[in-house]
Amino acid sequence: DAGITQSPRHKVTETGTPVTLRCHQTENHRYMYWYRQDPGHGLRLIHYSYGVKDTDKGEVSDGYSVSRSKTEDFLLTLESATSSQTSVYFCAISMKAEISGEQYFGPGTRLTVT
Amino acid sequence: AQKITQTQPGMFVQEKEAVTLDCTYDTSDPSYGLFWYKQPSSGEMIFLIYQGSYDQQNATEGRYSLNFQKARKSANLVISASQLGDSAMYFCAMGDGNDYKLSFGAGTTVTVRA
Repeated sequence: DAGITQSPRHKVTETGTPVTLRCHQTENHRYMYWYRQDPGHGLRLIHYSYGVKDTDKGEVSDGYSVSRSKTEDFLLTLESATSSQTSVYFCAISMKAEISGEQYFGPGTRLTVT
Repeated sequence: AQKITQTQPGMFVQEKEAVTLDCTYDTSDPSYGLFWYKQPSSGEMIFLIYQGSYDQQNATEGRYSLNFQKARKSANLVISASQLGDSAMYFCAMGDGNDYKLSFGAGTTVTVRA
């Protein structure tokens, strides 16, 4: 158990509304990541963080923003949700960003945008 | 360009038999790592095995082994003595470059038959 929780676990929202997903870790890992999972695409990186207030974009960052004001929390915000953002969102942590730095995943959040 | 390719969308295997899941990758970075994850129907992502680009020997973890062929840029997962609980989606991933972000393949669904 890597001590990662995500909230909410399920959410249904309407197009155009803002949505914030929370990832919380208890083990003080430096690196945190947000992915989305869609059929046929595997997991794709949205944003990641390499420290408090240090974040960078991933492969599919358009329409998303993130914040990390403390080590244990990494927030993903959809500024104005669209139906194309219906997906399962996973948070992951890693102790290091090196070749042996496997990532451990949270349980996921299923988001539906209607 | 696709960094990770998994060409088998689905496979069936008989209980107690071995199964090989294909994964090819593309990177120009001499330092990289290869990972396999399992995602059962419950949805969580479970880390299985890791292989570093400089590792001389193939990685093994219990019934999982990684057949690493560097010149061919392949990192196939072998599951020996399949069990019903091995039925799941399996993802190959690679970490390389700055901050070692992971790129995932589209996944292979394995169904183990009794």
